[in-house]
Amino acid sequence: GENVEQHPSTLSVQEGDSAVIKCTYSDSASNYFPWYKQELGKGPQLIIDIRSNVGEKKDQRIAVTLNKTAKHFSLHITETQPEDSAVYFCAASIGYNTDKLIFGTGTRLQVFP
Amino acid sequence: DAGVTQSPTHLIKTRGQQVTLRCSPKSGHDTVSWYQQALGQGPQFIFQYYEEEERQRGNFPDRFSGHQFPNYSSELNVNALLLGDSALYLCASSYSQGAYEQYFGPGTRLTVT
Repeated sequence: GENVEQHPSTLSVQEGDSAVIKCTYSDSASNYFPWYKQELGKGPQLIIDIRSNVGEKKDQRIAVTLNKTAKHFSLHITETQPEDSAVYFCAASIGYNTDKLIFGTGTRLQVFP
Repeated sequence: DAGVTQSPTHLIKTRGQQVTLRCSPKSGHDTVSWYQQALGQGPQFIFQYYEEEERQRGNFPDRFSGHQFPNYSSELNVNALLLGDSALYLCASSYSQGAYEQYFGPGTRLTVT
């Protein structure tokens, strides 16, 4: 069945450093890949997304890259700040042109001042 | 502009009981998806409602059912509760003519004892 693997499960960085989270998906038909940030006691917040017709997308300190051939996509956060500390989830659409999502298992990011 | 709202915030039920969770989508959205998030895991897709009908369904038993009302709000019903149903239940809304972005509510924490 469809699967999304996410690594690492935990990531600790110093404030100002960069953080990279990687995901691999299994469904060749997937064409939509969002990233969510979940803070304690809150629902997931959409922070950036990418579609399969684009290789890279950037929004201020956050960027996402997609390699369709390898079925890999990654989240890059530069100049990390303590408020970036949260659990980050990658997700992939199940099938083509659908908003039914399958999520990775999450990465707990801790940014130390 | 109100985001996605869910009620109640927390709920404690006994095995075998039935529960109803409620969701109001973000203004302008007409599609509601429900997800189950177990502790330490990513959200899992339960089903999606559009035009008052279940449009897509994940791998959940028939004990899980839902409804969408003409104002696009939605309910999730779970019958014959099991201990394993304890989780955070998330509602996400999207616009059917949009580009797949889903916005999540804060969730309902269900504990089954």
